[in-house]
Amino acid sequence: DTEVTQTPKHLVMGMTNKKSLKCEQHMGHRAMYWYKQKAKKPPELMFVYSYEKLSINESVPSRFSPECPNSSLLNLHLHALQPEDSALYLCASRDRGLQNTEAFFGQGTRLTVV
Amino acid sequence: GESVGLHLPTLSVQEGDNSIINCAYSNSASDYFIWYKQESGKGPQFIIDIRSNMDKRQGQRVTVLLNKTVKHLSLQIAATQPGDSAVYFCAENSWSPDKLIFGTGTRLQVFP
Repeated sequence: DTEVTQTPKHLVMGMTNKKSLKCEQHMGHRAMYWYKQKAKKPPELMFVYSYEKLSINESVPSRFSPECPNSSLLNLHLHALQPEDSALYLCASRDRGLQNTEAFFGQGTRLTVV
Repeated sequence: GESVGLHLPTLSVQEGDNSIINCAYSNSASDYFIWYKQESGKGPQFIIDIRSNMDKRQGQRVTVLLNKTVKHLSLQIAATQPGDSAVYFCAENSWSPDKLIFGTGTRLQVFP
């Protein structure tokens, strides 16, 4: 199983809503990532979790709150978002062995903030 | 030919021709590089990778070249097919901190 599963696939939320994005992998990967991708732009790194601990926060606004409940799951909690936060949110995972390996990406959650 | 759009460069090639997509990376400490393919509405899909101790690596129909002197990476696709149409991103990674950073991307359009 080389899949990273993201739910939901599409999400529309108001600026006062609270919602969560979910990501799951069963490859035993100990590094998990959140990326944000706007149209015609590359994925932009938001957060990195290594062994269930937050290791990198790329100065992301606090209205985005990541959580890693266990080694297979990664959540992104959303609160009081702005319309400019509308984007494709991608989750990725990779092995944390002695050498770097490729990151596996999910299909993303298309988020629209209204 | 190759053109630069507002944000995304585009490479148009005829089916059967070879394609070369280029990428400049920024961090001289990066020691691992990946090419990803992204189709519309999907997540990035791994194509091929290369470590900094190599200058060339070949896969099935794809070759990656790495020039560390000028911090340049290229992806060569042989006998380009319509199914190769997508946006291609290079990504660079350094071990510490663990960041996988994507380049600008190039849209590949294959016409018959």
